[in-house]
Amino acid sequence: DGGITQSPKYLFRKEGQNVTLSCEQNLNHDAMYWYRQDPGQGLRLIYYSQIVNDFQKGDIAEGYSVSREKKESFPLTVTSAQKNPTAFYLCASSIDRGKTGNQPQHFGDGTRLSIL
Amino acid sequence: KQEVTQIPAALSVPEGENLVLNCSFTDSAIYNLQWFRQDPGKGLTSLLLIQSSQREQTSGRLNASLDKSSGRSTLYIAASQPGDSATYLCAADFGNEKLTFGTGTRLTIIP
Repeated sequence: DGGITQSPKYLFRKEGQNVTLSCEQNLNHDAMYWYRQDPGQGLRLIYYSQIVNDFQKGDIAEGYSVSREKKESFPLTVTSAQKNPTAFYLCASSIDRGKTGNQPQHFGDGTRLSIL
Repeated sequence: KQEVTQIPAALSVPEGENLVLNCSFTDSAIYNLQWFRQDPGKGLTSLLLIQSSQREQTSGRLNASLDKSSGRSTLYIAASQPGDSATYLCAADFGNEKLTFGTGTRLTIIP
């Protein structure tokens, strides 16, 4: 079945450590997104990529980094510079609007990151 | 600043009743508006997408409306069921292919 796979489901980070969250999609979507969700808040955009080898900062990019070497993959690294990383992280993808008009974003099941 | 607001934060409704969830946005130059459902500990499931040229979209018991001039969208759920219990989020695309999300309404259907 087509979809978005995020791994791991749960992740623990030690102080000073970088951790990487995986996001893979087999929907042949062009655009991919990373969001952070905190209790009682809406989703906030961290980074997004509309094409391979290109990505842009979202609203809260500080302390995070991404790469987009393949169309299917958009990993997110939470660096030690991110002082409050505990949150639920969601990856999404969508088709390029220019190809098919407006299409909804599809989401993975998320990774919950906690501090040890 | 482009913002999306959802009030109330939580809503409880007896099973079988019809209900309306509200979403407001600050910029009428909206490209599209999307409604999502989120179950606890899960990702988001797309319910309906309304393009700026449309006034409403329907899927089964769900109907979403869009009024750009007043900056409002509603999600109407007919004949509510316990399985409809979830958090419902709306999100606006203001033309840059990025979504701005509301904080959601947590809906509980009481059997």
